[in-house]
Order: sequence, then structure tokens, then C-alpha cells
Amino acid sequence: NAGVTQTPKFRVLKTGQSMTLLCAQDMNHEYMYWYRQDPGMGLRLIHYSVGEGTTAKGEVPDGYNVSRLKKQNFLLGLESAAPSQTSVYFCASSYRQGQFWPQHFGDGTRLSIL
Amino acid sequence: KQEVTQIPAALSVPEGENLVLNCSFTDSAIYNLQWFRQDPGKGLTSLLLIQSSQREQTSGRLNASLDKSSGRSTLYIAASQPGDSATYLCAVKRQAGTALIFGKGTTLSVSS
Repeated sequence: NAGVTQTPKFRVLKTGQSMTLLCAQDMNHEYMYWYRQDPGMGLRLIHYSVGEGTTAKGEVPDGYNVSRLKKQNFLLGLESAAPSQTSVYFCASSYRQGQFWPQHFGDGTRLSIL
Repeated sequence: KQEVTQIPAALSVPEGENLVLNCSFTDSAIYNLQWFRQDPGKGLTSLLLIQSSQREQTSGRLNASLDKSSGRSTLYIAASQPGDSATYLCAVKRQAGTALIFGKGTTLSVSS
């Protein structure tokens, strides 16, 4: 079972470069999320989507854009990368919102901005 | 603002011990609470989900409890094994929002 797949797994960028992180899920989940994990900060929500064609801001959205053109894919874009965006990025998905539905996570993308 | 705290930050035990990891949260208005395991350099694996109406959930050697009124959850690991070594994260889902609010984790080391 693939579950939640993130590509790439590792990436090094120079300040000012742009890139897109791809998340794909094969569980027919409605909700998808992007989190970042930083030492001493825990995981924080960047953006999320409640369905195809919809996106919303999370706790730390600045410097990121997202798109959900297909139900199974959620893209996270960095238009002009900054060293402060060095982090581990996790994508997650859930079937619905509410108390019954757990979030399932991918293996992460480790991103370094030089 | 919901805050999640996990104590201790790190724990070392010999193989075979039973142990308890603690998680506390400041706002009792939650949908559910999830416990995750994270191995070094890896993603998060969901271990247990406790709905707001439940008191506990069990999976194998793991048992998680939830006391909403006191804002606490515990993860009990029975007969610990070296393979249990990992970071354990607690996260709550707010009723008012869609995000999971995470604690910073407890890093467990089980020695053989």
C-alpha cells in the first residue's frame, strides 16, 4: 500500500530559487495538509485543502503557495526560497475532518536552503 | 491557544520495562488525540487515535488513555523492546480547526 508519497525526498536549493514539492495519496482522502518540522518547534501546519480545487492557510503560510488541481495530489511551492525555509516538510491526508479520522503522513522531504 | 506538552523530553530504559509517556494539552475542546511514532530521518507512523468520547485505545503492547477534563493523555508501552526506540509524538485535533497541534515529542531509547 503506497499511502502518502512525497517527492523529492531530499533537495538543496540556493537562496532565491524556486521549487515545488509533490504529495500524492491513493486512499481517496478529501483532506490534505502540508506541515513543516523544525527542531524545538514541533510540526506546524503550512496550508491545507478540504477538497479538489480548494486550499486554505494554516499557521505558517508565508512564503509558500499550494494547489490541489486533482484530488489525489497536493503541491507545495516555494517561489523564492529563503534560508528560514530549511526544514523537513511532511504531507498528510485524512478521509474526513472530525474525531473519527486519523491523519496519515508521508516520509517527508528534507529541504536545505543555502 | 491550544498548547501540547510532552514530558519527559527523553527517556532511557532497559529492555523489558513497562513505561508511560505523558502528554498534556491546555484546551479540552478537542476532536481527538493521536499518538505517532517517528524513527530518525523518517516520517510519522500513526499508532493510536482516541476519539474525544473515548477513554482509551489499545493496540498490541500499546495502550493510550485520554482524560479530557484534566487535559491529559498517557501512552503505556508494555514489555519494552529495543525496536521501540523512537520519538513518540502526541497531537490533538481542535474542534474549531483542521490542524493537528503537536507536542515536541519524547525520545525513547530501550537498551538490550
